[in-house]
Amino acid sequence: KAGVTQTPRYLIKTRGQQVTLSCSPISGHRSVSWYQQTPGQGLQFLFEYFSETQRNKGNFPGRFSGRQFSNSRSEMNVSTLELGDSALYLCASTLTTGGWSYEQYFGPGTRLTVT
Amino acid sequence: AQTVTQSQPEMSVQEAETVTLSCTYDTSESDYYLFWYKQPPSRQMILVIRQEAYKQQNATENRFSVNFQKAAKSFSLKISDSQLGDAAMYFCAYRSSDRDDKIIFGKGTRLHILP
Repeated sequence: KAGVTQTPRYLIKTRGQQVTLSCSPISGHRSVSWYQQTPGQGLQFLFEYFSETQRNKGNFPGRFSGRQFSNSRSEMNVSTLELGDSALYLCASTLTTGGWSYEQYFGPGTRLTVT
Repeated sequence: AQTVTQSQPEMSVQEAETVTLSCTYDTSESDYYLFWYKQPPSRQMILVIRQEAYKQQNATENRFSVNFQKAAKSFSLKISDSQLGDAAMYFCAYRSSDRDDKIIFGKGTRLHILP
């Protein structure tokens, strides 16, 4: 079974631009979570989607948004990029059985650099 | 709100020796899941081991085992016969039995293996 895939793997953007990152979960996984990882702040939860609905949201400004499609693939968007948005963005998918979620399986991440 | 604390930002261990990484958590719930994740340098985060709170027996996966002390809210990871490939950032994580709750990660412990 293929793992979680994220595209693109690396991205360089300029302040003020917007960016869209994509995540394809493991086949059969219906929950997708997004995290921002930086050396200073560690792993910070952005949001989780389940069956195309946002189920949880972290403490990030409204510039960070996401969505999930009917095939469980998910995208996250960051508008009006700031230098502080430079980070590794991780996507994780979870197998859900009857709505209950177990451990998460992570993708390789997208390294975003904002200049 | 639940919290996860990893009090050791960095640790070192000699190759072939045993090391224990600490994790404590705070929760008022009785049913939950605990995880240890490993993130090698520039590589994907992977699940190392998982523990269900209702199980008294400590989980074991080859050289990795946990010491789960529910009353003390402690969940340490023991790595036996440390190998160079064990060098990584290790994250402790908690997930409540509430299916709508997100996974909470600690800030991580960076483990160095000394040859």
